[in-house]
Amino acid sequence: SQQGEEDPQALSIQEGENATMNCSYKTSINNLQWYRQNSGRGLVHLILIRSNEREKHSGRLRVTLDTSKKSSSLLITASRAADTASYFCATDRGNTGGFKTIFGAGTRLFVKA
Amino acid sequence: DTGVSQNPRHKITKRGQNVTFRCDPISEHNRLYWYRQTLGQGPEFLTYFQNEAQLEKSRLLSDRFSAERPKGSFSTLEIQRTEQGDSAMYLCASSKDRSSYNEQFFGPGTRLTVL
Repeated sequence: SQQGEEDPQALSIQEGENATMNCSYKTSINNLQWYRQNSGRGLVHLILIRSNEREKHSGRLRVTLDTSKKSSSLLITASRAADTASYFCATDRGNTGGFKTIFGAGTRLFVKA
Repeated sequence: DTGVSQNPRHKITKRGQNVTFRCDPISEHNRLYWYRQTLGQGPEFLTYFQNEAQLEKSRLLSDRFSAERPKGSFSTLEIQRTEQGDSAMYLCASSKDRSSYNEQFFGPGTRLTVL
């Protein structure tokens, strides 16, 4: 079964609004990553947060990690129509637990222009 | 372009036939991953290599699936006696192994249709 579970499964917002997606996982992790997949295109890495980090920013992206709750959130601020895509969280256990990477089922974001 | 490449991009085959896919990772990347993705789902881990060593293999992989990376560069994924349930997008990704970071770069995928 998939380790990461995102919610909501789908999200529809207006351009300019913020979008928040959540991810929960089951076992201890080394890294948690977020990826984006546009319709018909490949997966693109967005941001990585390590287990000893709590928050990370990259441009309009903000990721938080709460290891006590085994959860992460991805915030996209000032969304654009081009942000329309599926977003996946992915976890691995790193050097000690191995780099087998488990993806969630994803959140489908639709940004209306 | 020195990204991850996969061939073929599309494969249509009849049930029972064998198929082989190829992945060429980014040249300095030592880790190589194979995933399977079906419509509406996230990528499902199949296996990964560090150089030529296959370090982990999903229990989802039946005996009909085999992957190789003989010289630590390109990799092949073979599916024997294909079944309709094997229809999916097969994704390859690579990453560097010189740190505990595991940012993966994905190829465009091979879409398999089993008739």
